[in-house]
Amino acid sequence: NAGVTQTPKFRILKIGQSMTLQCAQDMNHNYMYWYRQDPGMGLKLIYYSVGAGITDKGEVPNGYNVSRSTTEDFPLRLELAAPSQTSVYFCASSYGTSGAYNEQFFGPGTRLTVL
Amino acid sequence: GQNIDQPTEMTATEGAIVQINCTYQTSGFNGLFWYQQHAGEAPTFLFYNVLDGLEEKGRFSSFLSRSKGYSYLLLKELQMKDSASYLCAVSASGGSYIPTFGRGTSLIVHP
Repeated sequence: NAGVTQTPKFRILKIGQSMTLQCAQDMNHNYMYWYRQDPGMGLKLIYYSVGAGITDKGEVPNGYNVSRSTTEDFPLRLELAAPSQTSVYFCASSYGTSGAYNEQFFGPGTRLTVL
Repeated sequence: GQNIDQPTEMTATEGAIVQINCTYQTSGFNGLFWYQQHAGEAPTFLFYNVLDGLEEKGRFSSFLSRSKGYSYLLLKELQMKDSASYLCAVSASGGSYIPTFGRGTSLIVHP
């Protein structure tokens, strides 16, 4: 099993450009998440999904969009990149949110810089 | 909402013991997680605690007191490779049970 995979690993964007961060998991997990991690700030939840076709906002959703057309894939879209979106983005998945099923498996991350 | 507090940084000597504390305030508590994150890498799962008491895995152990809203991660016989950030995360009904992460504790182990 590859676990959770993310592409690209690194990206530099200009202000106003758009891009999609890709995330896929092969563990048949129902739940998938997008986090951003800024230095000293921990992980902040951007969006999450409880299954194909169902998504919901997390703590910091502004400037981002997601979709979940399949169980495996959960892309994150940045429409108009801003310097405040410079961060490391982690995708994660879990089987559920009940008890130990809430253990999250993380992808390797995408380091994004907006200039 | 949830309030999770852990120290920003700790330093310790190789071979020593270190305790990383995490305090939280929440309603509808559904469990606490500890993750390890090496610099430039993804977080990886260490422990899940939902009942009071101690869980042990090798040199690492985690303790939970639900009544005090308190947990700690104990690392024994420290090794240089234990230098990492340690993230405390709390699951509660108020957040749809999705764990909320603290800011993490950066542990530096020196010779």
